[in-house]
Amino acid sequence: AQKVTQAQTEISVVEKEDVTLDCVYETRDTTYYLFWYKQPPSGELVFLIRRNSFDEQNEISGRYSWNFQKSTSSFNFTITASQVVDSAVYFCALSEAGNQGGKLIFGQGTELSVKP
Amino acid sequence: KAGVTQTPRYLIKTRGQQVTLSCSPISGHRSVSWYQQTPGQGLQFLFEYFSETQRNKGNFPGRFSGRQFSNSRSEMNVSTLELGDSALYLCASSPRDRTSNYGYTFGSGTRLTVV
Repeated sequence: AQKVTQAQTEISVVEKEDVTLDCVYETRDTTYYLFWYKQPPSGELVFLIRRNSFDEQNEISGRYSWNFQKSTSSFNFTITASQVVDSAVYFCALSEAGNQGGKLIFGQGTELSVKP
Repeated sequence: KAGVTQTPRYLIKTRGQQVTLSCSPISGHRSVSWYQQTPGQGLQFLFEYFSETQRNKGNFPGRFSGRQFSNSRSEMNVSTLELGDSALYLCASSPRDRTSNYGYTFGSGTRLTVV
């Protein structure tokens, strides 16, 4: 069965600190997709990144970076020099390929609080 | 281009009633998925529709149903509402076809309160 675990329920940092959000997943599929979403208080899930299982290259987008390691089934997300606007709940998610790909399995989310 | 539109944003219903939620996907997107978000259970998949056909279904009772129209707009219905159905219901649209996964764009959700 597929499963996503975000062990950190809440993280609190001071502005300008770096912070890493952990995500560990389980799947028996060889082809799958991993996602990160941000949910601000307004409720909408904002897409951050999508990665397929064959692409283990790390990615950097501004202050955001992602580290995908198939060997440890992890897809961690780092925010460098955090800002108050980064405060939100962050979700990691997994989906299969093909017909089952319309189903996202979410982790429980990590609530990040960035204090000024 | 316009994002995913969900209506209404807020809804208050009484136990035993039924409710219909609406989702208009991004133009050109044929896949629409629905999720329920509660503090206790987190984000859970309800179902996915693709070209008017239900393609995937989560572990929810038959009181939860949906449909998709020829213009890809989707509706979700919950009958005989229970207090535990109080949740944020999120809709997501995707340009994905039958074999590829291109990611999902979510709407702002409908917050349903059952009293």
